[in-house]
Amino acid sequence: EDQVTQSPEALRLQEGESSSLNCSYTVSGLRGLFWYRQDPGKGPEFLFTLYSAGEEKEKERLKATLTKKESFLHITAPKPEDSATYLCAVQAGGNDMRFGAGTRLTVKP
Amino acid sequence: DTAVSQTPKYLVTQMGNDKSIKCEQNLGHDTMYWYKQDSKKFLKIMFSYNNKELIINETVPNRFSPKSPDKAHLNLHINSLELGDSAVYFCASSRAPGTGGSPLHFGNGTRLTVT
Repeated sequence: EDQVTQSPEALRLQEGESSSLNCSYTVSGLRGLFWYRQDPGKGPEFLFTLYSAGEEKEKERLKATLTKKESFLHITAPKPEDSATYLCAVQAGGNDMRFGAGTRLTVKP
Repeated sequence: DTAVSQTPKYLVTQMGNDKSIKCEQNLGHDTMYWYKQDSKKFLKIMFSYNNKELIINETVPNRFSPKSPDKAHLNLHINSLELGDSAVYFCASSRAPGTGGSPLHFGNGTRLTVT
């Protein structure tokens, strides 16, 4: 069965303190690995899709990378507005998307 | 302008009641979904419809019945509500399956509280 595990569960950073979030997955026939951001009281907001090992995507202070077993979301010099829950999800043979439990990121000024 | 909208945003009801949540998308997507997010924020798929046809039906009690009148709408009807049904329910949409890893676009959720 497809599995997605995210770590850490929660991460507290000082403004400007760079770090990485991890997403480990086991899936047959990966069609895409997705990163989403979720703010309190809102639905998940799409950030990136990665399709194959070695691929990287960037958006502002965020950079997502993919290997055959895991993905990292690197956050460079984070700001308080980056505080949110970051969700990883995988899509395999079917069209359903399996989500990890998320990493709750808090960035203190 | 809203891409995926669902109503109501909050729903408080008593055990045993029947309630519905509505969802509409204006993105022209062929596939729509219902996800449940529990108290630990874990998102789990419930149903998926493609062009009004059910294509995913996870292990969900048959008290939950999705209905898709057209490909832009997917409603969720829940009969005989139980305390354990309390959660946030998200509607989402995407391009059709087979298009190689299509991201989901989510609504802002309906927080259901059963007392």
